[in-house]
Amino acid sequence: GQQVMQIPQYQHVQEGEDFTTYCNSSTTLSNIQWYKQRPGGHPVFLIQLVKSGEVKKQKRLTFQFGEAKKNSSLHITATQTTDVGTYFCAEPYGGSQGNLIFGKGTKLSVKP
Amino acid sequence: DGGITQSPKYLFRKEGQNVTLSCEQNLNHDAMYWYRQDPGQGLRLIYYSQIVNDFQKGDIAEGYSVSREKKESFPLTVTSAQKNPTAFYLCASSSNPDRGLTEPQHFGDGTRLSIL
Repeated sequence: GQQVMQIPQYQHVQEGEDFTTYCNSSTTLSNIQWYKQRPGGHPVFLIQLVKSGEVKKQKRLTFQFGEAKKNSSLHITATQTTDVGTYFCAEPYGGSQGNLIFGKGTKLSVKP
Repeated sequence: DGGITQSPKYLFRKEGQNVTLSCEQNLNHDAMYWYRQDPGQGLRLIYYSQIVNDFQKGDIAEGYSVSREKKESFPLTVTSAQKNPTAFYLCASSSNPDRGLTEPQHFGDGTRLSIL
């Protein structure tokens, strides 16, 4: 069945270092979404990517959608302690409009 | 202030007991979802509803039931048939897809369910 693989599962960085999480799908996607979940909190929508090769930036966060629309990445430049949390990618679920299948997430910890 | 309200925040279930988790939204969203989150497992879809009076099973519906009698409300019942209910339960809502694109989901604060 449809799967979304996200790596790494955990990432520990020193404050100021960069961080990247990758998402790979078993299917060609119409779009992909990214969410952030702070410790003890709930997932919050960050961004949606739609076009092949699309790159979007939000301050220190850079999101990319692969040319073949089967993979995506989130890169954080110069991490801060406020970046701590779990980052999830999510892709549309098969033929079910509106449904998402979530990756298992990458848990980021930042050492001050 | 628009949003999704889940209650209670913490819930304890005794053996053989059914418990109901509440989810209310005032975002005027048509679609609502229930997810279960276990450590290291990401979010797994339990049930979803794209319109009032209609709902569909997700990937892990066994041992759960839902209703959607009102647009604003989508309660989840964890039945005694669910043998491993300890988890973090998240409710979400979204608009229906626009131009074929999946709309972002908005989440409540979640309910942590434990077995006594």
